[in-house]
Amino acid sequence: AQSVTQLGSHVSVSEGALVLLRCNYSSSVPPYLFWYVQYPNQGLQLLLKYTTGATLVKGINGFEAEFKKSETSFHLTKPSAHMSDAAEYFCAVGYHMDTGRRALTFGSGTRLQVQP
Amino acid sequence: NAGVTQTPKFRVLKTGQSMTLLCAQDMNHEYMYWYRQDPGMGLRLIHYSVGEGTTAKGEVPDGYNVSRLKKQNFLLGLESAAPSQTSVYFCASTARGSGSWDEQFFGPGTRLTVL
Repeated sequence: AQSVTQLGSHVSVSEGALVLLRCNYSSSVPPYLFWYVQYPNQGLQLLLKYTTGATLVKGINGFEAEFKKSETSFHLTKPSAHMSDAAEYFCAVGYHMDTGRRALTFGSGTRLQVQP
Repeated sequence: NAGVTQTPKFRVLKTGQSMTLLCAQDMNHEYMYWYRQDPGMGLRLIHYSVGEGTTAKGEVPDGYNVSRLKKQNFLLGLESAAPSQTSVYFCASTARGSGSWDEQFFGPGTRLTVL
């Protein structure tokens, strides 16, 4: 079985500060990992994903995440926060359902606030 | 290109009432999904469809029915709404569900309250 834990339901940073959103996963097979972002009153958008290959993954809007197998982590970072980064961020792990079809298990989300 | 749209955006129901949520996508995607999002929890898969005329149960299917009569539309029905179904419902679609982990495109959500 797979699960995702996001540490911290709310994170507040100052504009220009480092953003670090934590995600730990459990998976019985090599994981496929994703970060999605949800802006107010909008649906989720894919930020980045890790499937195979390089463990440091770069996404849109300057975000990146590093897959660390030994720590079962996939933390999301951005060197310098911008006001427009204020949103809710979801970590997800991919898995195969009983039907063989692929699906995602989502974490509970972290709301990022950016202070001027 | 509107992407994924959901109708309605908000709805308040009384216990026992029925309603249908409509999801439409204009990207010619094969796979469509319905999720619910509850406070402090991640999105949970209710039902999904791998193509026109086919549907399957997800993680939390009880109390819901779905239909995919047209490729571009995926309907979620509540036959007898219960307060436990108060939630935000998201629809998503993807080009294909096997062979690669393609991005899921999400609609803006429907906020449903059952009194």
